Order: sequence, then structure tokens, then C-alpha cells
Amino acid sequence: SQQGEEDPQALSIQEGENATMNCSYKTSINNLQWYRQNSGRGLVHLILIRSNEREKHSGRLRVTLDTSKKSSSLLITASRAADTASYFCATASLNSGGSNYKLTFGKGTLLTVNP
Amino acid sequence: EPEVTQTPSHQVTQMGQEVILRCVPISNHLYFYWYRQILGQKVEFLVSFYNNEISEKSEIFDDQFSVERPDGSNFTLKIRSTKLEDSAMYFCASSGSGPPYEQYFGPGTRLTVT
Repeated sequence: SQQGEEDPQALSIQEGENATMNCSYKTSINNLQWYRQNSGRGLVHLILIRSNEREKHSGRLRVTLDTSKKSSSLLITASRAADTASYFCATASLNSGGSNYKLTFGKGTLLTVNP
Repeated sequence: EPEVTQTPSHQVTQMGQEVILRCVPISNHLYFYWYRQILGQKVEFLVSFYNNEISEKSEIFDDQFSVERPDGSNFTLKIRSTKLEDSAMYFCASSGSGPPYEQYFGPGTRLTVT
């Protein structure tokens, strides 16, 4: 798989259910970030997890990171129709100059939450 | 809450024309980026900019592309001679001066080259 590859590609659930999306990557990273994108709109930053962290929570979001398996998961609990969007993981690696990070995005998971 | 803004939201241009996409990053941020997303594809990194110079660019960012910070607030992406394959959504992003460097994205400019 390519850097920042999510699965499943599409997920359809009922309101109130939990949604889990996975992301795998290949190279070493400094941190991993999850973004949401509503159709045709901009990217909204959801949560960042550093390479030395294993789990992070933010509201109804729970992110895990397993650097040994080079994988991450995003769990959205008690989903709502408004959570319908595409979700992307993006791995952050330090640039060659050591001054900042570029993000490498996956293809995303299209989540549909049915009312 | 501070946010990244981009103008225009949609730009239609003819092949061979020059376009300038504009961004106003979050005011205290020091790192600036352009990404693009061709319809139905991944978001791809184009270029990062820090301290008034390019710090990294991808192979997509060829001589047709340039970036500039003409004043203290704007950050622009210029495409000198647009091609059909430049049609995409272009996102500007910025991040702060310290780790962990979350990148905050603008709403995007949809560029259509005809």
C-alpha cells in the first residue's frame, strides 16, 4: 500500500453506531493527522497524534497509533448524520532541511451516516 | 477562531493563461504550504515556504509554478502557463512556529482550465 492508505474506502453506518477507519503507512513519521472533508469543501483538521503517543481522544474521536505496525485508526463514537464526510489520514515527515513538515495524504474513507 | 482564507473560490481560465491563487494564512503562523487535489484523487503536496524561501517542493512543482509572500499577510501561488491537467482544487495551509505543527487548511480554490 502507499503512504497513508486508508481502509475501508467507503463505510456506511446508521446514526448512533461507531465508525472505525484505518490507515497504514510505509515510512517513518513524526506525527499522523486526521482530516475531514465534506464534499467539494476544504480540509478540517481533526486530531494529531505524535509518533511517541499510542492513543489520543478528542470529544467523540479516538485515535490510535501503532508505529511497529505502521498503522493508525480513527474511531468516531455515537455517529451523527453530520459526520458524513471523507476522512483522510496524513503522515507528517520532517523535510530534508529539518525546518518543517510536509503531509502525505491517503485516498480517504468516505463515511456515510444514515439517519 | 483564526482561519486560513483563500481567494477566489473558483477560477476558470483558458489553457496557456497565467493564474494567481491567493491565500491569507493564520496571522502568527510561520510555515506556509500549497497542496492540490485533482478530482477524485489524493491531496498532493506541492510546496512549503518558510522564512521567505521555499523549504521543499514536490516534483509536481515545476518551473511553471512559483510562490511568493508579497507582504506580511498574503501567500500566493502562480501558475505561469496553465495546462488542462492543472485543473484541481488548490489548498493553502499554514502552521505555527513550534511542534507539533498541525497544518490548518483554507477552503480551497477550484481551478478549471479550459
